Amino acid sequence: DGGITQSPKYLFRKEGQNVTLSCEQNLNHDAMYWYRQDPGQGLRLIYYSQIVNDFQKGDIAEGYSVSREKKESFPLTVTSAQKNPTAFYLCASSILLGTGELFFGEGSRLTVL
Amino acid sequence: GIQVEQSPPDLILQEGANSTLRCNFSDSVNNLQWFHQNPWGQLINLFYIPSGTKQNGRLSATTVATERYSLLYISSSQTTDSGVYFCASLDVGSQGNLIFGKGTKLSVKP
Repeated sequence: DGGITQSPKYLFRKEGQNVTLSCEQNLNHDAMYWYRQDPGQGLRLIYYSQIVNDFQKGDIAEGYSVSREKKESFPLTVTSAQKNPTAFYLCASSILLGTGELFFGEGSRLTVL
Repeated sequence: GIQVEQSPPDLILQEGANSTLRCNFSDSVNNLQWFHQNPWGQLINLFYIPSGTKQNGRLSATTVATERYSLLYISSSQTTDSGVYFCASLDVGSQGNLIFGKGTKLSVKP
């Protein structure tokens, strides 16, 4: 089945540690996105990528980094510089940037202890 | 950037009832979409509806782009409709930044 796979689903981290969230899609979509969701809030864009080896900052990129070495993969690293990293992280993709339906993975819940 | 306002913020229905959810936008709408987030956090795309009306089973959506709003209709609601409904539109001048509202939390009681 085509879709977006995120891992891990749950992750606990100590303060000061970096952590990488995985996102893989087999929809053959060019564009991929990372969103953050806090309780009772909508989604906010962290980073997006239009094509391999290209990515752009979203509204809340500080303390995060990404890479896009393969079309299928768009991992997100939450660095120790992110001051409030506890949140629900959602990866998404669309056929082209800003065009068509946005499809989401099941999300990764990060808790910093 | 564009502001997205959803109403009502919370809604409780008895199973079988109908409801209308609304999104207002502060600027021109582009690439407008509706999503449902289930209690486990999964977001499902319900409609891609930059303009006009679409129907999918008990759900339908209408976007009036000239007046900067969109409506989501749920008929004969079921308990499985519970969750949070979000609308989103591309930010003004952006190619990739879809701006989400804060959502309408729907609870359907049996």
